[in-house]
Amino acid sequence: GEDVEQSLFLSVREGDSSVINCTYTDSSSTYLYWYKQEPGAGLQLLTYIFSNMDMKQDQRLTVLLNKKDKHLSLRIADTQTGDSAIYFCAESGSGGYNKLIFGAGTRLAVHP
Amino acid sequence: SQTIHQWPATLVQPVGSPLSLECTVEGTSNPNLYWYRQAAGRGLQLLFYSVGIGQISSEVPQNLSASRPQDRQFILSSKKLLLSDSGFYLCAWSTGQGPSPLHFGNGTRLTVT
Repeated sequence: GEDVEQSLFLSVREGDSSVINCTYTDSSSTYLYWYKQEPGAGLQLLTYIFSNMDMKQDQRLTVLLNKKDKHLSLRIADTQTGDSAIYFCAESGSGGYNKLIFGAGTRLAVHP
Repeated sequence: SQTIHQWPATLVQPVGSPLSLECTVEGTSNPNLYWYRQAAGRGLQLLFYSVGIGQISSEVPQNLSASRPQDRQFILSSKKLLLSDSGFYLCAWSTGQGPSPLHFGNGTRLTVT
């Protein structure tokens, strides 16, 4: 079946790079997504990558996709305290209708 | 630009009471609409989605129901709440054409006591 897995917690020092990893199971997923959730809020779309791409860069964010291993990562350069949040990976799956399948989320803690 | 509104933001309800959560979308026509639930420390579970007025698909058997009385309105309901219905409920929309991301509302924190 479809499943998305992420590590649950990551702690980094302010100014360092953060790398959040994700594995997914459905090789037919057309798009893969990264969302950010701040405390008590909904999910904010950060970026997404088409499945035939290897990399996408958007300012401080870099997404890497290894389709062979079904591995997705999000790198945040120069991590700031405002980046502290839960980050969700999601795949588009094979069910259509944009029914995204989400991981459990990685809590990123940024400390001085 | 498109916006999505969800209310209420928080809700405390006793077991056995009814529930109605509302979601509306502005700035787009014929969106796909979704209800997700986020349990504490867990990912998002898709509950319902809708591709048009009156068209509701349920993803998991449960104590909840959904309705779409208007193109941009999506309602989540229950006749009798259970303790296990507690959670963070998120409404989302996407365009109706082709693969596209979901855009989420700010969520409703429901506590059933």
